[in-house]
Amino acid sequence: ETGVTQTPRHLVMGMTNKKSLKCEQHLGHNAMYWYKQSAKKPLELMFVYSLEERVENNSVPSRFSPECPNSSHLFLHLHTLQPEDSALYLCASSQDLEEDTQYFGPGTRLTVL
Amino acid sequence: TQLLEQSPQFLSIQEGENLTVYCNSSSVFSSLQWYRQEPGEGPVLLVTVVTGGEVKKLKRLTFQFGDARKDSSLHITAAQPGDTGLYLCAGAGPYSSASKIIFGSGTRLSIRP
Repeated sequence: ETGVTQTPRHLVMGMTNKKSLKCEQHLGHNAMYWYKQSAKKPLELMFVYSLEERVENNSVPSRFSPECPNSSHLFLHLHTLQPEDSALYLCASSQDLEEDTQYFGPGTRLTVL
Repeated sequence: TQLLEQSPQFLSIQEGENLTVYCNSSSVFSSLQWYRQEPGEGPVLLVTVVTGGEVKKLKRLTFQFGDARKDSSLHITAAQPGDTGLYLCAGAGPYSSASKIIFGSGTRLSIRP
């Protein structure tokens, strides 16, 4: 399999649930990203990892917790989410932080009830 | 704060017509990317422009980077239903870094058969 994959593609969860989103990149890249895409808003960068180290956290609520066990995998752990957290969550990777071009996964469509 | 404004927000035209969408900012970018995103999928990179005044062509799509590297345009000739999607521009800079890329809110294009 090539490119950036994300699982699950769709997720419905209650506000008290705990779930995780998974991202895997098969491009040999060193940097990975989580974005949130809501209707009529620009993509919001949430977290940035470079060589498995978190380099940026853009004031994201603590109910979102990222994990990067190795350079190919990225997780986003979710707990006690709010309905306004419903959105498309996109994972992306780039060769490194200095490379402008990012490659996106298909996203996870999250609905919080 | 750097902002990228895309116009129009929505565009619906007949198959075979030409169109231009715009991406504008008051900031200078070291590079600018155009992505197309289809429903239920992540953005797919179309092109990266890096030099002021640069023009790149991808079949019926023509991309131009402004001389001052603050704006860009995407022109589609003889639009086809397969061109339907959300077109996003993303700017990096002035110091190139993937973690400093900002996205516009997109132009949603619909091509009617």
